Amino acid sequence: AQSVTQLGSHVSVSEGALVLLRCNYSSSVPPYLFWYVQYPNQGLQLLLKYTSAATLVKGINGFEAEFKKSETSFHLTKPSAHMSDAAEYFCAVIFSGSARQLTFGSGTQLTVLP
Amino acid sequence: KAGVTQTPRYLIKTRGQQVTLSCSPISGHRSVSWYQQTPGQGLQFLFEYFSETQRNKGNFPGRFSGRQFSNSRSEMNVSTLELGDSALYLCASSMRTGEANYGYTFGSGTRLTVV
Repeated sequence: AQSVTQLGSHVSVSEGALVLLRCNYSSSVPPYLFWYVQYPNQGLQLLLKYTSAATLVKGINGFEAEFKKSETSFHLTKPSAHMSDAAEYFCAVIFSGSARQLTFGSGTQLTVLP
Repeated sequence: KAGVTQTPRYLIKTRGQQVTLSCSPISGHRSVSWYQQTPGQGLQFLFEYFSETQRNKGNFPGRFSGRQFSNSRSEMNVSTLELGDSALYLCASSMRTGEANYGYTFGSGTRLTVV
């Protein structure tokens, strides 16, 4: 079955440190890939998306992600964490043949320590 | 440009009742999808509507249904509510045309509590 795996349900970083959130998917066909962020009691906000153009994708709030086909990965990074980055992050995938249905990872709660 | 609007934001219902949730997509967006978010199961796809037709359906019982109107607004209905239906229900809209438009815009959700 096609799936999305986010390694680490909780990640803590110090303010100013590198943020790295991991996402792997299971598919031999490159899918469409997304990262969303969710703040408490809010919906999902799109950070960035990969749709078969450049493999390094830049998003909002200084985040970026790199699509690596050989590793079936789409990890999210930010060079310097800010307190306002504390939230839950979801990797989502539209697999080939899935009729545009988003399949989500289980989420990673990011804590930023002062 | 107005975002995706979901009403109501919060609902408390009793087991066995039914509930209707509403979603107004971004102007010009004709696709509306619904997702259920729970702590145990995470985010799961319910269904997608485009041009008033259900295009795709997730693995949920028939108690979950939806519809879309000619102005693209969508409603979802859950009948015979169970405690396990307590969740955040998220609506997402998309233009559904062209690769560059992949990626949905989500509303703030409706928090349903079944007691």
